[in-house]
Amino acid sequence: QLVESGGGVVQPGRSLRLSCAASGITFSSCGMHWVRQAPGKGLEWVAAISYDASDKYYADSVKGRFTISRDNSKNTLYLQMNSLTPEDTAVYYCAKDKGVYMDVWGKGTTVTVSS
Amino acid sequence: QSALTQPASVSGSPGQSIAISCTGTSSDVGGYSYVSWYQQHPGKAPKLIIYDVSNRPSGVSDRFSGSKSGNTASLTISGLQAEDEADYYCSSYTSSSTRVFGIGTRVTVL
Repeated sequence: QLVESGGGVVQPGRSLRLSCAASGITFSSCGMHWVRQAPGKGLEWVAAISYDASDKYYADSVKGRFTISRDNSKNTLYLQMNSLTPEDTAVYYCAKDKGVYMDVWGKGTTVTVSS
Repeated sequence: QSALTQPASVSGSPGQSIAISCTGTSSDVGGYSYVSWYQQHPGKAPKLIIYDVSNRPSGVSDRFSGSKSGNTASLTISGLQAEDEADYYCSSYTSSSTRVFGIGTRVTVL
């Protein structure tokens, strides 16, 4: 099970950190992803991290502003989001990596960027 | 990282078969056998229904099948049922080791 938290309303230019708590899986052996969905729009892949945090990948739309990280001792995935813009408004899902696809998804946390 | 191309909507009557296409490039869909498909009902999280082009996870109905030819992958739903009404997204691994989703297809059961 994956449970996201940390969403909320934030002003443009500010920062927010999302968390994803994992249970029932061997978290330390799994790559992980963040995927977002803007209101009424499709899925957008955001970032991925390898099981040991040695490799990290980002979508061009968030590169340089967002940072994916993990704490295997706490079974928790993070997404640090800086310099937020209204275009970052979305439901953010964390998902477990199974090779090259995502086989377990959380229910999502909502981020709204608005003044 | 352009989104993969999918039809905006596809519809069919109960019992019919429908197909959803997913077109990319040689840097994603055409370059790897790593296309996956996700089903999303309104207000719910996506659910994996096909992985590695044509494999079904345990518990997914065999009415769902996948294939690929060149830069285009396809999802076929056979014996369409009311519960299949949802949004469907394809996804592919890319040459940059990132992932890319399709724009999504709304399936309507008439």
